[in-house]
Amino acid sequence: KAGVTQTPRYLIKTRGQQVTLSCSPISGHRSVSWYQQTPGQGLQFLFEYFSETQRNKGNFPGRFSGRQFSNSRSEMNVSTLELGDSALYLCASSSDPAGVAYEQYFGPGTRLTVT
Amino acid sequence: LAKTTQPISMDSYEGQEVNITCSHNNIATNDYITWYQQFPSQGPRFIIQGYKTKVTNEVASLFIPADRKSSTLSLPRVSLSDTAVYYCLVVQTGANNLFFGTGTRLTVIP
Repeated sequence: KAGVTQTPRYLIKTRGQQVTLSCSPISGHRSVSWYQQTPGQGLQFLFEYFSETQRNKGNFPGRFSGRQFSNSRSEMNVSTLELGDSALYLCASSSDPAGVAYEQYFGPGTRLTVT
Repeated sequence: LAKTTQPISMDSYEGQEVNITCSHNNIATNDYITWYQQFPSQGPRFIIQGYKTKVTNEVASLFIPADRKSSTLSLPRVSLSDTAVYYCLVVQTGANNLFFGTGTRLTVIP
């Protein structure tokens, strides 16, 4: 099976712009989660989707949003980018309905740089 | 949400067994203990998960005492390719939120 794929791998945006990141989970996985990783804050949970519904959300402002499509592919959007949004954004998928509580498979991430 | 405490870093020589201990004093009845490994510029990789006593798979063992307030990840005969950051997570089924903590940076020395 192909692993979790994320596009694009690298992205440079200007402060104030918006960005959309894409994630394709492993075939058959219906749970998709998003994380932000920075040197200062480490790995932080953004949100999780299961069967096109957001099941839970971490402590991030409303500028961070996401959605999941019927084929389980997911997108994450960040509006009005700030310098502090520069980070590695990771997507993970799981085969178990318990989602993040079960074994998750992570993609390689999208490195976002905001200038 | 139970938080975890791990050593910031550890060094080990190739071929040795490495034990990384994680403290999770506020673990709840329904929480599972999960370990992930992360290499630079890659997403974390699931290593092992357990609830109590001992769990073993092809790459590691996880020891959990009866009170479950701590756990130890054991890596047998480490190699240079085991140099990575190791995260201990305490996850509640259905909570749908993960806290990774700072992790332990393991450096394997030739």
